[in-house]
Amino acid sequence: QSVLTQPPSASGTPGQRVTISCSGSSSNIGVNYVYWYQQLPGTAPKLLIFRNNQRPSGVPDRFSGSKSGTSASLAIGGLRSEDEADYYCAAWDDSLSGYVFGTGTKVTVL
Amino acid sequence: QVQLVESGGGLVKPGGSLRLSCAASGFTFRDYYMHWIRQAPGKGLEWLSYISRDSSIIYYADSVKGRFTVSRDNAKNSLYLQMNSLRADDTAVYYCARGEGLGYWGQGTLVTVSS
Repeated sequence: QSVLTQPPSASGTPGQRVTISCSGSSSNIGVNYVYWYQQLPGTAPKLLIFRNNQRPSGVPDRFSGSKSGTSASLAIGGLRSEDEADYYCAAWDDSLSGYVFGTGTKVTVL
Repeated sequence: QVQLVESGGGLVKPGGSLRLSCAASGFTFRDYYMHWIRQAPGKGLEWLSYISRDSSIIYYADSVKGRFTVSRDNAKNSLYLQMNSLRADDTAVYYCARGEGLGYWGQGTLVTVSS
């Protein structure tokens, strides 16, 4: 059911920069905003990035988003142990008339 | 502060029905469109349904179209999901979420479909 493709895992040591990709198509990322969510173990997802690259208040500026064509990426700079979580991208899909999510990426802090 | 609280989950037999509720507080509920999303155990997120502010526009994922019905009561600040003809693969945590970009999520309610 996931229409957006993400790598299943990513990892880094504390302080490193980690980047997660999200690949979509012309009916979703290509024409609509991308959103990113962080899901800590056992909790509900939390909005991390909205409208491609905007951070809600309270989200550290270590988190940044970008979009180019039909792909997007999330970067986590200065990796911290509390960043260990699952990360999902999402975008509205005009063909499906609904949100589509990425496959999810598990970030591990080594 | 914005709060969304889902309820109504539980154990139901295949073919059965369940009605989920999402109680909203901390914001003007009638000003926002709402969504339902689910997450099967150990799996990713799946968007299910959208309902506009005045309920005039509704969308469903193909996986639930014809079986699930979304509704809202702006006077009661509540969102609902009527789920019929439930199947084992509907087993999941069900979340409601607010507005553009699914900006706020509830804590979820677990639905288990099993005989």
